[in-house]
Amino acid sequence: DTGVSQDPRHKITKRGQNVTFRCDPISEHNRLYWYRQTLGQGPEFLTYFQNEAQLEKSRLLSDRFSAERPKGSFSTLEIQRTEQGDSAMYLCASSSSTGTQYFGPGTRLTVL
Amino acid sequence: AQSVTQPDIHITVSEGASLELRCNYSYGATPYLFWYVQSPGQGLQLLLKYFSGDTLVQGIKGFEAEFKRSQSSFNLRKPSVHWSDAAEYFCAVVETGANNLFFGTGTRLTVIP
Repeated sequence: DTGVSQDPRHKITKRGQNVTFRCDPISEHNRLYWYRQTLGQGPEFLTYFQNEAQLEKSRLLSDRFSAERPKGSFSTLEIQRTEQGDSAMYLCASSSSTGTQYFGPGTRLTVL
Repeated sequence: AQSVTQPDIHITVSEGASLELRCNYSYGATPYLFWYVQSPGQGLQLLLKYFSGDTLVQGIKGFEAEFKRSQSSFNLRKPSVHWSDAAEYFCAVVETGANNLFFGTGTRLTVIP
């Protein structure tokens, strides 16, 4: 049973650089979610895809953030012109139509 | 305002003791309710969920949770804690008609020998 995978697991970048993260959901899941988790907090919702359509975006998703799911399978989350405040764990989850979300291991971003 | 409250930031229990982690929510209608566990530097693992029906739900690793509508609570319990249960525990809800999970701030569990 292959779960949700995320790549890379860790990313260190300098302020102002662009970064891209990848998420591969559970194969039969048509729904995909991105969350951000900062230290000592619970995850916060960023965006949601159903198949290839991005149906919902949080106000947390500033103009520097963009997410895609081009063929309804894997998804990418790009952050442009990174800021120190972007340092966080970025979590991906997927679900079927039942709605129960299963999470990947996360990508920890550190912006220097 | 809609919210999920986990009043205990940190709980310490002895191995073999019982455990109860509290969760309260504030939503107009009963949302879907979840408990997740997170080990340091890791993603979240689903422990159990409540959608409807029997208010006492069983999960993995010997955990259970009870939904109490009158108290807007969904507390997590385990009769005997193991050292491997040390982790961060998150209560989460999906509001009726919504798609995303809304999480509490978490409770960190420490298990002492």
